[in-house]
Amino acid sequence: QKEVEQNSGPLSVPEGAIASLNCTYSDRGSQSFFWYRQYSGKSPELIMFIYSNGDKEDGRFTAQLNKASQYVSLLIRDSQPSDSATYLCAVNGVTNAGKSTFGDGTTLTVKP
Amino acid sequence: DGGITQSPKYLFRKEGQNVTLSCEQNLNHDAMYWYRQDPGQGLRLIYYSQIVNDFQKGDIAEGYSVSREKKESFPLTVTSAQKNPTAFYLCASRSPAGLAGGTYNEQFFGPGTRLTVL
Repeated sequence: QKEVEQNSGPLSVPEGAIASLNCTYSDRGSQSFFWYRQYSGKSPELIMFIYSNGDKEDGRFTAQLNKASQYVSLLIRDSQPSDSATYLCAVNGVTNAGKSTFGDGTTLTVKP
Repeated sequence: DGGITQSPKYLFRKEGQNVTLSCEQNLNHDAMYWYRQDPGQGLRLIYYSQIVNDFQKGDIAEGYSVSREKKESFPLTVTSAQKNPTAFYLCASRSPAGLAGGTYNEQFFGPGTRLTVL
């Protein structure tokens, strides 16, 4: 089992729809959770971070964390073609000395 | 402007050659990281350094070496022992913990170096 698993893609949604990206992690001691967006051929950029259980909203993006279920998700409302990218989930725990463990990413395509 | 720079953007290596990838940051971050990304894959950690003159192996350190003589610089050498080095290499740095209210803050990435073996 991978330490961080993301729902297999690719994911395709129509413009204006809600895109839901999911991530599960195996280290129950994980404390910090990040979503990065990576356009093809480019480096990742931070979209959201979340530390506490519940929802965190930033514009069209909502991160959801459930530590009991070891699950973190990213919702993108009113999806735009410019949201088409690969989304990487990253997790930090107490035992990994500042390292982030990344999932393999989910590729999202938003169709006009 | 503060940020992370990597050079070169593209690098071609012949079989048996060692090559060094540059990573410089002016963000005053203590921690720096090197990742490798293969097509359709996530990021795999090669080496990381949490302080000057100290570094640790990541998950795929074999065939790579690093140094951390200055806070700003964390070069990665891909040696001839790395049998399949063709990949996208990403350098990142992280600010000290606690500034964003959590245990660890996010990583900032450089633009990457694409290495191809001829």
